[in-house]
Amino acid sequence: NAGVTQTPKFRVLKTGQSMTLLCAQDMNHEYMYWYRQDPGMGLRLIHYSVGEGTTAKGEVPDGYNVSRLKKQNFLLGLESAAPSQTSVYFCASSPTSPKNTGELFFGEGSRLTVL
Amino acid sequence: AQSVTQLGSHVSVSEGALVLLRCNYSSSVPPYLFWYVQYPNQGLQLLLKYTSAATLVKGINGFEAEFKKSETSFHLTKPSAHMSDAAEYFCAVSGDSNYQLIWGAGTKLIIKP
Repeated sequence: NAGVTQTPKFRVLKTGQSMTLLCAQDMNHEYMYWYRQDPGMGLRLIHYSVGEGTTAKGEVPDGYNVSRLKKQNFLLGLESAAPSQTSVYFCASSPTSPKNTGELFFGEGSRLTVL
Repeated sequence: AQSVTQLGSHVSVSEGALVLLRCNYSSSVPPYLFWYVQYPNQGLQLLLKYTSAATLVKGINGFEAEFKKSETSFHLTKPSAHMSDAAEYFCAVSGDSNYQLIWGAGTKLIIKP
């Protein structure tokens, strides 16, 4: 019963390096999201997808790119990491939109440190 | 723009005492409201949700919340705290877009033995 799986769980990068976070869900959900969580700031939406092949910008998209080539996977890329991107990243999926009371299912998070 | 305010970044209660976590929202339209819980080193999971049916919503682990439109509030309560309730709690409201939730900053619940 995997649900939403994020890899890697921990990563340390140097400024300017690139990396990709992978999110995989096995619930056949249409909607997928990438959030970042910083102390005292709650969750901020980076990018989201409403179906395979679609992506859209959220609240804080700068410095990140995403792709949803397969319905079950949602990749978050950092092309040139900056210390301000040190954060805990959460992937989530939902069967319907929040406006249709779609519950979000979260992964366990990926802790990224940029030195 | 919609917003969510959670009063108190940390709330400390004794085991067995009443838990009250406050959430106020601003919304120009009737919202959907959610409480999520995050245990240490885990992702968030849904505790309960208000979807315009009953104003008193019961969730998992003995939690409940009451939607009060006149006060624009959706406070979370539990009659008797357990040590296992120690976690961070997030209030969220459905946003203007179809795909976004607006999140509060979170309240860390500390349970004293």
